[in-house]
Amino acid sequence: ILNVEQSPQSLHVQEGDSTNFTCSFPSSNFYALHWYRWETAKSPEALFVMTLNGDEKKKGRISATLNTKEGYSYLYIKGSQPEDSATYLCAFSSGYSTLTFGKGTMLLVSP
Amino acid sequence: NAGVTQTPKFQVLKTGQSMTLQCAQDMNHEYMSWYRQDPGMGLRLIHYSVGAGITDQGEVPNGYNVSRSTTEDFPLRLLSAAPSQTSVYFCASSPKQGWETQYFGPGTRLLVL
Repeated sequence: ILNVEQSPQSLHVQEGDSTNFTCSFPSSNFYALHWYRWETAKSPEALFVMTLNGDEKKKGRISATLNTKEGYSYLYIKGSQPEDSATYLCAFSSGYSTLTFGKGTMLLVSP
Repeated sequence: NAGVTQTPKFQVLKTGQSMTLQCAQDMNHEYMSWYRQDPGMGLRLIHYSVGAGITDQGEVPNGYNVSRSTTEDFPLRLLSAAPSQTSVYFCASSPKQGWETQYFGPGTRLLVL
C-alpha cells in the first residue's frame, strides 16, 4: 500500500489570505500526481494532473508545483475566497492503473 | 452528457442483505473504478476495470464483487452486507487508464444496520 500524506489536516484562513498545502508521496516509480477539490455534499473535481518533475500548473488563483525527485507537491491558493472552502485531495499514481489518495486538507475561508 | 451517474443516492440495509450499487457513464470511458470514503480515511479503491470484460482488485476488495459487461456500466455488488461496509461509495471513470483525470459520480451513501 502506497503512502500519500497531506498536511496540514485542516486550515482556517481569512478572506484574502494566501495559503498552501503539501502532498508527500513515494519518490520511486512516479507516474502522475493529481489534485482534486471536494466541496461538501458534492463529488471530487479535478484541478490538476502533473506528470513531469518541475511541472507547474495554474487555474485562476490556484496553482500547483511538483518535485518527483523528493516526492512532494504544493498547492497554492492566492487571495483565498469563501468559495474556496473545500477539502483538497491529492492522489498519486505509480503506474497505469490505480490512484492512491491522501486523506485531504480541509480548508475553511472566513469572510 | 450526464457524465457519471450513480443509483441509489442513499440506501439502508440490514446485516446479511445483498444489493447492487449502479454506476453508468456516457463519456465512452474505458476505465471505471469504485472507491469508498470513510471518516478520517482517504478515498480507498475497491475494484477497477480497464475495459469491458476486464476487472481487477483495488486496496479493499473483500466483500464486494464487480463485473463489466458493457463499456457504460460498472455495478458494485455487496454479497452479504456488514456494518463495516457502512460508507459513502463513489464511482469514477477516465478515458483510458487510472492515472488520468478521474470523473466522479455523485456518490451513494450506504448504511448497514
